[in-house]
Amino acid sequence: NAGVTQTPKFQVLKTGQSMTLQCAQDMNHNSMYWYRQDPGMGLRLIYYSASEGTTDKGEVPNGYNVSRLNKREFSLRLESAAPSQTSVYFCASSGRQGIDTQYFGPGTRLTVL
Amino acid sequence: RKEVEQDPGPFNVPEGATVAFNCTYSNSASQSFFWYRQDCRKEPKLLMSVYSSGNEDGRFTAQLNRASQYISLLIRDSKLSDSATYLCVGTNAGNMLTFGGGTRLMVKP
Repeated sequence: NAGVTQTPKFQVLKTGQSMTLQCAQDMNHNSMYWYRQDPGMGLRLIYYSASEGTTDKGEVPNGYNVSRLNKREFSLRLESAAPSQTSVYFCASSGRQGIDTQYFGPGTRLTVL
Repeated sequence: RKEVEQDPGPFNVPEGATVAFNCTYSNSASQSFFWYRQDCRKEPKLLMSVYSSGNEDGRFTAQLNRASQYISLLIRDSKLSDSATYLCVGTNAGNMLTFGGGTRLMVKP
């Protein structure tokens, strides 16, 4: 019973490099989310996808892009990484946006030097 | 003003104590409320949903007070394993789940 999986678990980038964080869920959920969590800031929503084929900006979208590849997969791309993007990134999914419980993946710890 | 606000703590309590956390929310139309638990360097996990009538799960009790716009979490007979950060969750005006900053609990022997 995998739930929400994320890859990679850890990543170190140099400023200006790009990378894609992968997320997949096997719960047949419609909605998927990307958050970042920084000390003292709590969880902040980067982008979300209410259903397959749609994506919308959250609270802190600048510097990121997303792709809802299919119902299962939702990826987050950093085109040109900056030190300010050093954070822990969590992917989550839920049945219905804003109503249902969100289930989180284990997170990706990203450091940008 | 944050949409969901919590006292960051830490709350330091001895084993066996009863501890309560409150959380206030700004969206009076919020329909869904939850408490999540987050262990150090792990993902948040659902602890319990919060219903209008309140709900209890073992040593944990959650209450909703719509008039004063707060939810509470009561933990009885605290265990060392209860040490974690507890996240309060409501919904904002855009119908998105919104997480509070978390309250850190440390249970000591």
